[in-house]
Amino acid sequence: SAVISQKPSRDICQRGTSLTIQCQVDSQVTMMFWYRQQPGQSLTLIATANQGSEATYESGFVIDKFPISRPNLTFSTLTVSNMSPEDSSIYLCSVEALIRTDTQYFGPGTRLTVL
Amino acid sequence: KNQVEQSPQSLIILEGKNCTLQCNYTVSPFSNLRWYKQDTGRGPVSLTIMTFSENTKSNGRYTATLDADTKQSSLHITASQLSDSASYICVVRAPRSYQLTFGKGTKLSVIP
Repeated sequence: SAVISQKPSRDICQRGTSLTIQCQVDSQVTMMFWYRQQPGQSLTLIATANQGSEATYESGFVIDKFPISRPNLTFSTLTVSNMSPEDSSIYLCSVEALIRTDTQYFGPGTRLTVL
Repeated sequence: KNQVEQSPQSLIILEGKNCTLQCNYTVSPFSNLRWYKQDTGRGPVSLTIMTFSENTKSNGRYTATLDADTKQSSLHITASQLSDSASYICVVRAPRSYQLTFGKGTKLSVIP
């Protein structure tokens, strides 16, 4: 299995500011994903982080609001830009192993509160 | 649109009792169906995985069943413990894809 860490684990931010969330994996992985989990809701895929190229965004999510970087096979960042209270959620990083196992492993999540 | 519906939304049981959580899905065909446990403030952790041809899968006190004809799955928890208090999420994976469809989860509270 893959061990995933996220920083920060939680944060409280002011409206209009931006927050960058880091995701670090202990082994090389092929796929890295970013999810959002709003209160009482299921996980929603924001985007797939592609190494060395632009992320692939799902419908309803745009790069200007959620810029993503993935400089190598073990690290990715998600920025939540120009935040509003509606962005208050848990943001989760997940990965698929280098050898396809049909398993996504999830990070511990970053709990974001926007005031 | 692919959907995964879970019931009940929440459940409170006494420590030591058994319970069963339900999952109905529309994803068809599918690659696999997983049950995840998500503790408060943590990421989901996989409990069981079943492919289309499997009917049941156990992991300790957790037993998942799958009826592909009726597109239903259940997660049975035996002899519940306080540490079982968490959200349980049913997730269905599309074939040859990284696409996952998540249920909203069932929030289980085990009380002394």
